[in-house]
Amino acid sequence: DTGVSQDPRHKITKRGQNVTFRCDPISEHNRLYWYRQTLGQGPEFLTYFQNEAQLEKSRLLSDRFSAERPKGSFSTLEIQRTEQGDSAMYLCASSFSAGPALQETQYFGPGTRLLVL
Amino acid sequence: AQSVAQPEDQVNVAEGNPLTVKCTYSVSGNPYLFWYVQYPNRGLQFLLKYITGDNLVKGSYGFEAEFNKSQTSFHLKKPSALVSDSALYFCAVRESIGSSNTGKLIFGQGTTLQVKP
Repeated sequence: DTGVSQDPRHKITKRGQNVTFRCDPISEHNRLYWYRQTLGQGPEFLTYFQNEAQLEKSRLLSDRFSAERPKGSFSTLEIQRTEQGDSAMYLCASSFSAGPALQETQYFGPGTRLLVL
Repeated sequence: AQSVAQPEDQVNVAEGNPLTVKCTYSVSGNPYLFWYVQYPNRGLQFLLKYITGDNLVKGSYGFEAEFNKSQTSFHLKKPSALVSDSALYFCAVRESIGSSNTGKLIFGQGTTLQVKP
């Protein structure tokens, strides 16, 4: 399977704990996006990378959220000191952009479902 | 602000009948529009996109969408619905702020399609 993969698929944690999610994009895709989806809502943009550069992070929900893409391949999203309100599906998407990114198509992974108790 | 609206929370249709899932948008420039489908506990799957050109866009699994600039709509259609089409459908528009492009997709709240045998 050469699609976007995410690990883990499910995570249950206790409030206050740190969690880290991993996303492996489609090979050769240079852009990687993180979204959050809560029940009954559409995905909400969090941040994105072009290669290893994080070009937009102001949409991250708080300073407890951080993301990295150290070698321009896989990415991690970390949530520190989790709160019950962080419970959601975290989606990763990747795309290839060689020019104006307006025309690119984002391909999504299966998501990581987080439950904070 | 750019936005997407999906006015129907749920659409019910009988198998074999045509289906329409509605989407309207608001953007400051040229619209770049997308449809995704989400099956339970899965990520989003790309169906089709409108960038420019013909107002009728054909996509995966027999779906098509009609772009109407005057009505700012991008409705998803299929001539003959299948039970397996039952899923959650999201319309999205790519954010564009002047010459800046974050790549961010702005999603509607989703429409549940129920196709009954």
